[in-house]
Amino acid sequence: NAGVTQTPKFQVLKTGQSMTLQCAQDMNHEYMSWYRQDPGMGLRLIHYSVGAGITDQGEVPNGYNVSRSTTEDFPLRLLSAAPSQTSVYFCASSYTTGRRDTEAFFGQGTRLTVV
Amino acid sequence: LAKTTQPISMDSYEGQEVNITCSHNNIATNDYITWYQQFPSQGPRFIIQGYKTKVTNEVASLFIPADRKSSTLSLPRVSLSDTAVYYCLVGDWTGGGADGLTFGKGTHLIIQP
Repeated sequence: NAGVTQTPKFQVLKTGQSMTLQCAQDMNHEYMSWYRQDPGMGLRLIHYSVGAGITDQGEVPNGYNVSRSTTEDFPLRLLSAAPSQTSVYFCASSYTTGRRDTEAFFGQGTRLTVV
Repeated sequence: LAKTTQPISMDSYEGQEVNITCSHNNIATNDYITWYQQFPSQGPRFIIQGYKTKVTNEVASLFIPADRKSSTLSLPRVSLSDTAVYYCLVGDWTGGGADGLTFGKGTHLIIQP
């Protein structure tokens, strides 16, 4: 049982380049989400999904796209990278429907630098 | 989601009991209180969750008074490896997590020898 797996762990991009951060979970969780964490800050929600085919925006969605074609995968796309997107990105998953007491599982993070 | 307030940082020593208090004056009836721990360069990790009174697991205890406007995470006999950032979250996730998990800046706990 791998939990939540993120790839890559590190990435350097040039301004304007695009890339996809991968996230996969093997716990059959309905809910998946992407957060970014900047130095000294808490985590901020970028996008989330409550199930395959359903996505929605979080607190800081600009510059990012997501899709959820399967329960297991929730990739995050940066269409045109900007230095302001330099951050550590975390993917998380959890059960949701009908459960108030849910525990979220996080991946190890992707450290992205945009130069 | 209910806003939470917790100390920015705390210091303690190995072997001591550490209590971190979180204020959540606007907690709603359906909200649960959850604590996460985050080490540098790692994702947050679930520690404990509760609704009222006291909850205890192998890692920590969570004390919630009757009015539920605050909660206290208690770490017994801390060690150097407990140095981390601790986040207090309040919310109801039955709706499918539409608001996500709202992380503030957390409490940076530093344990000294």
